[in-house]
Amino acid sequence: QKEVEQDPGPLSVPEGAIVSLNCTYSNSAFQYFMWYRQYSRKGPELLMYTYSSGNKEDGRFTAQVDKSSKYISLFIRDSQPSDSATYLCAMTTDSWGKLQFGAGTQVVVTP
Amino acid sequence: GAVVSQHPSRVICKSGTSVKIECRSLDFQATTMFWYRQFPKQSLMLMATSNEGSKATYEQGVEKDKFLINHASLTLSTLTVTSAHPEDSSFYICSATPNGGAGSYNEQFFGPGTRLTVL
Repeated sequence: QKEVEQDPGPLSVPEGAIVSLNCTYSNSAFQYFMWYRQYSRKGPELLMYTYSSGNKEDGRFTAQVDKSSKYISLFIRDSQPSDSATYLCAMTTDSWGKLQFGAGTQVVVTP
Repeated sequence: GAVVSQHPSRVICKSGTSVKIECRSLDFQATTMFWYRQFPKQSLMLMATSNEGSKATYEQGVEKDKFLINHASLTLSTLTVTSAHPEDSSFYICSATPNGGAGSYNEQFFGPGTRLTVL
């Protein structure tokens, strides 16, 4: 069993819709939870990180962490074609720890 | 923002040859750099953690004699794939963490990746 599970998609949504992404994990020691965006043939870029449980909002992006359920989510409001990318969740046990990545979900936003 | 570069961005080599990939932090010093491998439509798999001035720590299943890592300075780490074979063809990505204090998340900044094709 993988430590971090993420549906690879693809997830296709019309422009303006809300994109909902999620990951589940098995290691209760994870404390930092991240969402990365990766365009084709490029390195990942950090979108948001959350420490422990709770919600965090940044513009059109909202990240949620539910440690009791070992479940994290990312919501993208008012999606744009430029949001088309692969979104990877990642998590680590401490601020300097190794990142465990999910498989990544390919998102396609159609005009 | 913090920028990490990789060179080359793409390399094609013959089976049996060695290939060196460079990872540089351009505007910050990085005590720690990480090397990942990513196969098509798969996630990033950590290969090794590289600390400046010391030996790299390899993940289980990664051959340290095949994937040589050198972290010679606070801004440069290199990955050498020795005696490359077609199954080593992959997307190799490095990341670097700025030197920082404890108590907050130490973000890893990723390079753009190097696509290695071994014929």
